[in-house]
Amino acid sequence: DAGVTQSPTHLIKTRGQQVTLRCSPKSGHDTVSWYQQALGQGPQFIFQYYEEEERQRGNFPDRFSGHQFPNYSSELNVNALLLGDSALYLCASSLWGARIKNTGELFFGEGSRLTVL
Amino acid sequence: QKEVEQNSGPLSVPEGAIASLNCTYSDRVSQSFFWYRQYSGKSPELIMSIYSNGDKEDGRFTAQLNKASQYVSLLIRDSQPSDSATYLCAVHSFNAGNNRKLIWGLGTSLAVNP
Repeated sequence: DAGVTQSPTHLIKTRGQQVTLRCSPKSGHDTVSWYQQALGQGPQFIFQYYEEEERQRGNFPDRFSGHQFPNYSSELNVNALLLGDSALYLCASSLWGARIKNTGELFFGEGSRLTVL
Repeated sequence: QKEVEQNSGPLSVPEGAIASLNCTYSDRVSQSFFWYRQYSGKSPELIMSIYSNGDKEDGRFTAQLNKASQYVSLLIRDSQPSDSATYLCAVHSFNAGNNRKLIWGLGTSLAVNP
């Protein structure tokens, strides 16, 4: 049973560049959420995708955009990178149709660590 | 006021002791509560979920929920050095658009000393 996979695991970019991160959800899951986690902080919700549509969005600027494909995999794009974008980016998968009380049960990938110089 | 608050720690306990981690939340209508464990440099891993007042036990872990007092705790019995990690509390609530959202605490760092 394949878990959540993310790529790349590490990457270094410079200010102003653009980055694309990829995620494949756990087998059987249809919903992908993206989180940003800075050092020493809890995960910050970026957005959530289901049925190829953004369903919810956290307090992140439009430089952060995403996409979900028919196979449920997802991409996170960040444009015009800033130093403050350096963080661990986590993808979490879940089942949209799960009972409401279970929808906080997320399965995380190992993350993509982005360093912006 | 932060929506989910945890003591950042570090909480240090000797091996074999009981570690007690606490979390308070502000939204009274919150329905679901989760504890995630995160090792340094790794992603969070769900270890406990609790939905009703009272205790829920799973192996060495016990989650306790008190909705009236708006707190949820995690007890780790017979603590092991491998339990050393950051423990994140997450609370499931509803935002202004009645959409479900998961609110995270900043985490409590636990160190179990051999």
